[in-house]
Amino acid sequence: GEDVEQSLFLSVREGDSSVINCTYTDSSSTYLYWYKQEPGAGLQLLTYIFSNMDMKQDQRLTVLLNKKDKHLSLRIADTQTGDSAIYFCAERNSGAGSYQLTFGKGTKLSVIP
Amino acid sequence: GAVVSQHPSWVICKSGTSVKIECRSLDFQATTMFWYRQFPKQSLMLMATSNEGSKATYEQGVEKDKFLINHASLTLSTLTVTSAHPEDSSFYICSARNNEQFFGPGTRLTVL
Repeated sequence: GEDVEQSLFLSVREGDSSVINCTYTDSSSTYLYWYKQEPGAGLQLLTYIFSNMDMKQDQRLTVLLNKKDKHLSLRIADTQTGDSAIYFCAERNSGAGSYQLTFGKGTKLSVIP
Repeated sequence: GAVVSQHPSWVICKSGTSVKIECRSLDFQATTMFWYRQFPKQSLMLMATSNEGSKATYEQGVEKDKFLINHASLTLSTLTVTSAHPEDSSFYICSARNNEQFFGPGTRLTVL
């Protein structure tokens, strides 16, 4: 079955860049996502990338996809204290009409002022 | 756009009672809604996929008689935890599909 792996913790200083990494196993994934979860809240869709793309940039966020290595990363430029949260990587399962997502365990990002 | 709400945001109940959680898509119609369960410091576990007007599809290991799902309209799905026990205490999150999945804020269930 599908599996998504992430490191559990990341700590950075305010103003630095954060890079959160994710690996997945389903080579036929169509879309890959990054969600943000603040304490006690639901998930906020940050960005996503289609599997035929290598990179996607959206303001401070840059997503890099290495499909050969099944590696996805999220870079947050000029990290702020408000970016402290848990970040989930997710892949959209392959299969016609499938909209199910498989999530990683989440990376807790701590931003040091 | 693409706002999903859940009600209640938190609930405390006694063991043996049933609890209903509502998930609403506020500004779009969702033919498909998903119910997840999240344990502390864990990822989201998909419990079931709910399609409007049909029976929900449950993931392996999820008891359909324990977790009753109803998706009566294109904007509302409900999850009822029947005869709740302390081990059912968890954070329940729904999502609604509008091309992508948009998530509700979650419901914290505590069973005493």
